[in-house]
Amino acid sequence: SAVISQKPSRDICQRGTSLTIQCQVDSQVTMMFWYRQQPGQSLTLIATANQGSEATYESGFVIDKFPISRPNLTFSTLTVSNMSPEDSSIYLCSVEGAEGNTIYFGEGSWLTVV
Amino acid sequence: AQSVAQPEDQVNVAEGNPLTVKCTYSVSGNPYLFWYVQYPNRGLQFLLKYITGDNLVKGSYGFEAEFNKSQTSFHLKKPSALVSDSALYFCAVRLTGRRALTFGSGTRLQVQP
Repeated sequence: SAVISQKPSRDICQRGTSLTIQCQVDSQVTMMFWYRQQPGQSLTLIATANQGSEATYESGFVIDKFPISRPNLTFSTLTVSNMSPEDSSIYLCSVEGAEGNTIYFGEGSWLTVV
Repeated sequence: AQSVAQPEDQVNVAEGNPLTVKCTYSVSGNPYLFWYVQYPNRGLQFLLKYITGDNLVKGSYGFEAEFNKSQTSFHLKKPSALVSDSALYFCAVRLTGRRALTFGSGTRLQVQP
């Protein structure tokens, strides 16, 4: 398995501001994924982040709104830009385990936009 | 279209009784199937997976799941439910050609004392 730490764990943000979420993994991983879980909903993939390349975004998500960095094999950030109340969600970082088949999740970053 | 479905929004079961949480899938090729649990105010925890081999997969906390290719199902089961099993359960599938998981809508399990 992998131990994944996310910061912040929770935050209340003002409309129009941006927030960067950090994801730190205790081992080197090739593939990292960012998901969003809106209130009462399932998980939706935002993007896949591989070290050394641009993140790959899913339909409905754009780099200007959700810029992602992946500077090394243990760290990634997701920024939620120009936030609106509709961005209130749990943002989850996840990684593919060393065995290559299982994806592990962090505890999530719970954002409320007011 | 490839997808995964959880037909029940909520499942209620009495403590000590067996529980089943249903999942069906539509995937081309051989499916990689997963179950995760989300306790209140927590992230997702991996329970078990089916990649290949024995159709009955055992996982964490006494849970198991049965892969049924003919019915395209991967139901989660536990012989004796605990109140502490009350949580949100997600079935997920790795679609052909992708590394990320696609999640079902989730099923809330409520175990009554």
